This record gives sequence, structure tokens and C-alpha cells, in this order.
Amino acid sequence: NAGVTQTPKFQVLKTGQSMTLQCAQDMNHEYMSWYRQDPGMGLRLIHYSVGAGITDQGEVPNGYNVSRSTTEDFPLRLLSAAPSQTSVYFCASSPELAGPDTQYFGPGTRLTVL
Amino acid sequence: SQQGEEDPQALSIQEGENATMNCSYKTSINNLQWYRQNSGRGLVHLILIRSNEREKHSGRLRVTLDTSKKSSSLLITASRAADTASYFCATDYGGSNYKLTFGKGTLLTVNP
Repeated sequence: NAGVTQTPKFQVLKTGQSMTLQCAQDMNHEYMSWYRQDPGMGLRLIHYSVGAGITDQGEVPNGYNVSRSTTEDFPLRLLSAAPSQTSVYFCASSPELAGPDTQYFGPGTRLTVL
Repeated sequence: SQQGEEDPQALSIQEGENATMNCSYKTSINNLQWYRQNSGRGLVHLILIRSNEREKHSGRLRVTLDTSKKSSSLLITASRAADTASYFCATDYGGSNYKLTFGKGTLLTVNP
């Protein structure tokens, strides 16, 4: 199993550009989530999904959209990038439908918005 | 707002010594987890302790949970240079709340 994969690993955007961060898992996990990690801030939850077709907002959802058309994929869309979105983004999945139990993290995408 | 807060923010010890990190949280939880993050990498799950448990062990790791004080501690015994990493606690409220909330982490440096 590849586990949780994320692409790209690095990305530089200009203010106002849009892009999609890709996340895929091959463990048939129902629960998937997106976090951003900023220096000294730990991880903050952006959006999460408890199954295909079901998504919900986390702590910092503004400026981001998600969709979950399949169990495997959970892309994160930046609608109009802003410098405040410069961060490292992590996707994670969990086998527990009842709650965010043990989470498996991808390697991260380092995003810089100029 | 972040639920868990780790203490200390940074810890530097010599190889072979024990390392203790603490996590405090504000409201009742369903479970508490500890994760490790090596520099530039994703997080790796270490151990989960449920609200009705008081202590768990996994190899050189020992986690305690005191729900009356709303705090947890992670003890790493006989530390190694490879244990150098950031350690995060994460909490969830259970029920229909599917959100996992992370603290800001403790940076552990183990000197050879």
C-alpha cells in the first residue's frame, strides 16, 4: 500500500491564482481531512470528510473548497490564493468512521503564495 | 482555538535520558493521541489513550491521562538521537464531532 499520497510536494503561486492540492489514499479509509501547519501554530483543521459525498468545515475553512466524489480522493482547492495561505498542507485519513481515531498522514505540500 | 497545549515548547536532553512532555486541554474529551513529526515530514501516530484509561505503554513510550486535571503526559525512556522530533498531542470530543484538534507541539532534541 502507498498509504496517503499528496501532490505536488512544492508549489509557488501568485496572489489570486487558483490551484488544487491532490490527496489520495489506498487503505479504503472513510475519514479524510486536510490540515495546515504554520510555524508555532501546530496543525489546524481546514475541512474533513466522513465518506464519499460528505464534507464539513474545520477550524479554518475560509478560502478553501473540498469535494469527496470517491473514497480514495479528497482534493483541496484554493479559490484565489492569498499570501496568508502560505503554509504546509497535510492530508490525513483514518479507518474509524465513528471519529478521528488513528490518523495516517501524507508527506505534505509546501505552498508559497507571493 | 486549539484544544491541547504542550509543555514545554522545547526540550533538550542527552541520549539515554528520559524525556517527559505534557499536554493540557480545556474541555472533556473522547480520546487523546500523541503524534511525532520529524523535520520536514508528515506526522506519525504514536499512541492513543481513551478517556476511561489512565495509562498506556508502547515500547519505550508511556502515556498517562488525568481527566480530573485535563492533562496527559508522554514519557520516552532511554531516549535516542533518532527520537529528535516534534511531538504533538491531539484531542477529539467524540459523539458527532469528527474534529481532531492538535496542540502546538514540543520540540525534543536528543543529543548524542
